[in-house]
Amino acid sequence: DADVTQTPRNRITKTGKRIMLECSQTKGHDRMYWYRQDPGLGLRLIYYSFDVKDINKGEISDGYSVSRQAQAKFSLSLESAIPNQTALYFCATSTHSGYQETQYFGPGTRLLVL
Amino acid sequence: AQKVTQAQTEISVVEKEDVTLDCVYETRDTTYYLFWYKQPPSGELVFLIRRNSFDEQNEISGRYSWNFQKSTSSFNFTITASQVVDSAVYFCALSGDNNAGNMLTFGGGTRLMVKP
Repeated sequence: DADVTQTPRNRITKTGKRIMLECSQTKGHDRMYWYRQDPGLGLRLIYYSFDVKDINKGEISDGYSVSRQAQAKFSLSLESAIPNQTALYFCATSTHSGYQETQYFGPGTRLLVL
Repeated sequence: AQKVTQAQTEISVVEKEDVTLDCVYETRDTTYYLFWYKQPPSGELVFLIRRNSFDEQNEISGRYSWNFQKSTSSFNFTITASQVVDSAVYFCALSGDNNAGNMLTFGGGTRLMVKP
């Protein structure tokens, strides 16, 4: 089984709808991240969390919110989806040992906002 | 501010050719970390390598090799004897010690197409 899972893998929604993307991990990592990928722009950080009670904005947090329900779960919400939020969304996890650790990514969620 | 530039947006080679993917970075951090990830057509991101700024040794893993040069702020990736399965988008990424949240700054990616 995959260490980092994302649900759904694909989603089509309409402008104005609320949508939630979920991420679960079995790696035992304490740090979790949400990124979005747009063509030609690489990945950009939306939100990150270092533990259950810690939530931090990333580079492009406007229009998004997150919830860290447990160490293994990190959800991303679009309160009112808009077409320019159409993108590939990735969840990532890492551990912490005093210096930068590698981030491991989930399989991604393709979101289309009509 | 950090920046990663992958000037090659697309590269096309014939199987068995060697190919080098370029990565140039900018950072003010004295300690930083460089990464390469592979994104095959299926879409997932696969971690390939991490290099610390204080370790300039080049690394080889099978057909893959990485050349880290601080003097030119580059971290290039070479695939020797390319195979069709190497076809993917490759991302170079950077994170600095002073980076809030260990944020990874990604380059725009290089799409590699290996033709049989």
